[in-house]
Amino acid sequence: AQKVTQAQTEISVVEKEDVTLDCVYETRDTTYYLFWYKQPPSGELVFLIRRNSFDEQNEISGRYSWNFQKSTSSFNFTITASQVVDSAVYFCALRGGGATNKLIFGTGTLLAVQP
Amino acid sequence: KAGVTQTPRYLIKTRGQQVTLSCSPISGHRSVSWYQQTPGQGLQFLFEYFSETQRNKGNFPGRFSGRQFSNSRSEMNVSTLELGDSALYLCASSLALAGMADEQFFGPGTRLTVL
Repeated sequence: AQKVTQAQTEISVVEKEDVTLDCVYETRDTTYYLFWYKQPPSGELVFLIRRNSFDEQNEISGRYSWNFQKSTSSFNFTITASQVVDSAVYFCALRGGGATNKLIFGTGTLLAVQP
Repeated sequence: KAGVTQTPRYLIKTRGQQVTLSCSPISGHRSVSWYQQTPGQGLQFLFEYFSETQRNKGNFPGRFSGRQFSNSRSEMNVSTLELGDSALYLCASSLALAGMADEQFFGPGTRLTVL
């Protein structure tokens, strides 16, 4: 069975602090894909990143960075120098191999950035 | 390029009624997926349509159904509504190129309230 665990339900930080959102996944597929989405209060899920199982290279995009480690089945997301606009619910998701777009989502982490 | 659009944005129904939700994908996208989001169950996959065929289905009762038209627009239908069907229903579209796991782009959702 496939599963995504986001153990952090809520995180509160003060602006300019760095914050890491944890994501642990379970799958038996050898080929799989991991995603992060952001859901602001408006409700629309915003795509942030996709990573496939055979590419463990970490990625940085501005203040965002992602750390993918197959050895620990983790795909963590770090926001550097957080801003109030980063306040949202963040979801980690898993897609298995094969002809399907079915995403298994974690329960999400609510990030509150205080000014 | 226009994003994924969903209509209506808000809907109030009573138990026992049925409802139809509509989703227009991004132009050129061939896959449409539907998800249900509730505070208790989180984001759950309902079904995916590709080239007018249901490609995958989640664990929902038969009261939940959908279809896709030749222009890739999709509708989902929920019959005999129950209070527990109150949720945010999200539609997502993707290019679905063969052999690629491309990202899904989500619409703003339809907020369904069942009284």
